[in-house]
Amino acid sequence: QVQLVESGGGVVQPGRSLRLSCEASGFTFSNYGMHWVRQAPGKGLEWVAVIWFDGSNKYYADSVRGRFSISRDNSKNTLYLQMNSLRAEDTAVYYCAKDQRRAAAPGTPGYWGQGTLVTVSS
Amino acid sequence: DIQMTQSPSTLSASVGDRVTISCRASQSITNWLAWYQLKPGKAPKLLIYKASSLESGVPSRFSGSGSGTEFTLTISSLQPDDFATYYCQQYNSSWTFGQGTKVEIK
Repeated sequence: QVQLVESGGGVVQPGRSLRLSCEASGFTFSNYGMHWVRQAPGKGLEWVAVIWFDGSNKYYADSVRGRFSISRDNSKNTLYLQMNSLRAEDTAVYYCAKDQRRAAAPGTPGYWGQGTLVTVSS
Repeated sequence: DIQMTQSPSTLSASVGDRVTISCRASQSITNWLAWYQLKPGKAPKLLIYKASSLESGVPSRFSGSGSGTEFTLTISSLQPDDFATYYCQQYNSSWTFGQGTKVEIK
């Protein structure tokens, strides 16, 4: 069955960098767009970024554009989120999610991982 | 940017109740709307996509309706497993979530 396992979270100081990974299994990873979505403590869900199934297009939320970078390695079935210049307000659980649509422009996140916690604090 | 507004923010209900959650978009999103269920410590779960299509494996007591700017999630008979927080999300232009509706035990 579909599995998405996030890793790379932890405690990091403001201004530093962190890279999250999401290892996928149970489906043909290279056929699906992938999303990152986050939830800050006590807050709602916030969409962060999306990458097309072939990596040809990437889009970001205004709050992270220019600081975060989404990428994928289809040979390793892995999605990444490079987070630079981290701020306290980036503290959240970060989820990766498989898009619903196969080999097409992304639609909505269908299947989600369990998330990894990122805490930005000095 | 498209803004999504859910109401109510919190809803108190009993097992067996019919529950309705509303979601309004700041501009037309045709039917590009999804509903998710979120429980503490668990992965979010897609319930409804394209406003009214039930995701595979989701109980039929969940239903979605609406188009344009006004949407509704209905739970026909609330079950103990349904106490959770529900989010709408538009994917017509970028991706935006509503602020969430917590369904709690009355």
